[in-house]
Amino acid sequence: DAKTTQPNSMESNEEEPVHLPCNHSTISGTDYIHWYRQLPSQGPEYVIHGLTSNVNNRMASLAIAEDRKSSTLILHRATLRDAAVYYCILRGPSNTGKLIFGQGTTLQVKP
Amino acid sequence: EAEVAQSPRYKITEKSQAVAFWCDPISGHATLYWYRQILGQGPELLVQFQDESVVDDSQLPKDRFSAERLKGVDSTLKIQPAELGDSAMYLCASSLEWGGLETQYFGPGTRLLVL
Repeated sequence: DAKTTQPNSMESNEEEPVHLPCNHSTISGTDYIHWYRQLPSQGPEYVIHGLTSNVNNRMASLAIAEDRKSSTLILHRATLRDAAVYYCILRGPSNTGKLIFGQGTTLQVKP
Repeated sequence: EAEVAQSPRYKITEKSQAVAFWCDPISGHATLYWYRQILGQGPELLVQFQDESVVDDSQLPKDRFSAERLKGVDSTLKIQPAELGDSAMYLCASSLEWGGLETQYFGPGTRLLVL
């Protein structure tokens, strides 16, 4: 499975946009980019995923570089509830389904 | 909204004792996963079930860990005997089907402390 690299931690101010980067230089053509987040004392939860085009949902946006070697999760207006560990995970369609988590990025949101 | 249920939420046990964790996935979800998360790290898959069959247990320490999903619904993960290094969060997740694009839904986890 291809590897992802994320910063260990980031800080943001409440109500400001947050851009969480992820590098995946060895991504294969069929790998999807998935993001999960884990709030304190909870299990991870799905955020968003994409293949090539940018994606939007009610939680966030995903911007994917043209060469697909990096992507950025965008939280448009961070709230205190968005403080969590964010994981960028590559998944191929032939994968049995397991999620391979890295260290993730710990996002701190300041009021 | 349907959720994955896990119990107990917290468990303290002594070294060499047996412990068991229970998971009830979202109704209709065929695939069930058990992950272990050591403090400060991301979760790591222990075992994956498709219905009642094990799909992947390559990372399950089989000398002391066992998992079952007898009727293809709820599941139990057991550790016997527990060791100090087993202290961790045990997370259960489920998905509608197996495959690399299926969204996984996680339960709240069971936090185990082995003394």
